[in-house]
Amino acid sequence: AQTVTQSQPEMSVQEAETVTLSCTYDTSESDYYLFWYKQPPSRQMILVIRQEAYKQQNATENRFSVNFQKAAKSFSLKISDSQLGDAAMYFCAYRSADAGGTSYGKLTFGQGTILTVHP
Amino acid sequence: EPEVTQTPSHQVTQMGQEVILRCVPISNHLYFYWYRQILGQKVEFLVSFYNNEISEKSEIFDDQFSVERPDGSNFTLKIRSTKLEDSAMYFCASREDGGTYEQYFGPGTRLTVT
Repeated sequence: AQTVTQSQPEMSVQEAETVTLSCTYDTSESDYYLFWYKQPPSRQMILVIRQEAYKQQNATENRFSVNFQKAAKSFSLKISDSQLGDAAMYFCAYRSADAGGTSYGKLTFGQGTILTVHP
Repeated sequence: EPEVTQTPSHQVTQMGQEVILRCVPISNHLYFYWYRQILGQKVEFLVSFYNNEISEKSEIFDDQFSVERPDGSNFTLKIRSTKLEDSAMYFCASREDGGTYEQYFGPGTRLTVT
């Protein structure tokens, strides 16, 4: 079974600064997807960014980028120019690529990191 | 933009009562999921549903739980006899078939069992 670990329960950053959230995972699969979800106080789950394991290029979405190290099984999220609206719980999640086989695309989540943004 | 909706937003029930949580997935999506998040903890997978049947379920999804797609739009999660430990946020999600299509989450239903 796959596991996802977020070792930072809480992180804080000054507005306009950069912060990196860590995530490691354990899997024996070679093809999979990784995601970062944001959960603000409303508790809605919002997709921030995704990465396909077969792609070497790191995904980027505006101020959000990832550092995907497949050999190290590491998937960190970098938030540049942090804004007050970035304050939330962030979850790293794993999904097998074999959606038609043993896994129907379920997401396995890490424990989450609470991000505080200071003005 | 299409979105997943869930009702009710908050449900309070007494221990031992049955509850039904409702979800309307995005209309062209084919895979449906329920997840649970106990307050302050991580989001946990409960069950996935495809082609009108359960495709995968977790250890949490025991005989007290059931899912149904009674018509072409609704997707429900039933808990037959609620326990205190069922108190949690329940999220419905759906996705399209194939590829990397991500799961779109509903806003969640907060279930409180007293």
